[in-house]
Amino acid sequence: GQQVMQIPQYQHVQEGEDFTTYCNSSTTLSNIQWYKQRPGGHPVFLIQLVKSGEVKKQKRLTFQFGEAKKNSSLHITATQTTDVGTYFCAVIGSSNTGKLIFGQGTTLQVKP
Amino acid sequence: DTAVSQTPKYLVTQMGNDKSIKCEQNLGHDTMYWYKQDSKKFLKIMFSYNNKELIINETVPNRFSPKSPDKAHLNLHINSLELGDSAVYFCASSQGPNVDTQYFGPGTRLTVL
Repeated sequence: GQQVMQIPQYQHVQEGEDFTTYCNSSTTLSNIQWYKQRPGGHPVFLIQLVKSGEVKKQKRLTFQFGEAKKNSSLHITATQTTDVGTYFCAVIGSSNTGKLIFGQGTTLQVKP
Repeated sequence: DTAVSQTPKYLVTQMGNDKSIKCEQNLGHDTMYWYKQDSKKFLKIMFSYNNKELIINETVPNRFSPKSPDKAHLNLHINSLELGDSAVYFCASSQGPNVDTQYFGPGTRLTVL
């Protein structure tokens, strides 16, 4: 079935440093979503990418969808302690059921 | 008002017991989901209902039985609880059963002793 690999599993950065998490699929994706889960919290939708080569920005967050629609990245510029949490990519496993397949997640720790 | 709510937030119980988790959404969505998140934070879909009809039923032990009395509610009943059932269970909803944003509830942390 559909799988998506997400790396790295953990990342510790100093506040102010940049951070990137990557998702890769062996098959072409129709779209990809990104979620953030704060410690002790629940996943919260951040964005959806649909088009090949798409780049979207939300303040310090930059989301990119690869040209071949097989990979995606989330880049955070100048991390802050509020960025702490686990970032998940998610892909559709079945388009008529809404079944989301989540990546393993990247847990970001930010040292003040 | 909370969009997707779950009760209880914490559930501690003994092996072999039966327990239920309730979920309600006030977003007017048609589709609801149950996810299990293990200790390594891996999120896996368990079930989904669209307009009270079961549309996703992953490989889950039949001790787990979802019930949707109406499209705003999706409950999860677990029989004969086992140690391996300890996890955080998230309910979620989306407007429809296609490529839509999913809104997650706060989660229920289940601990089986």
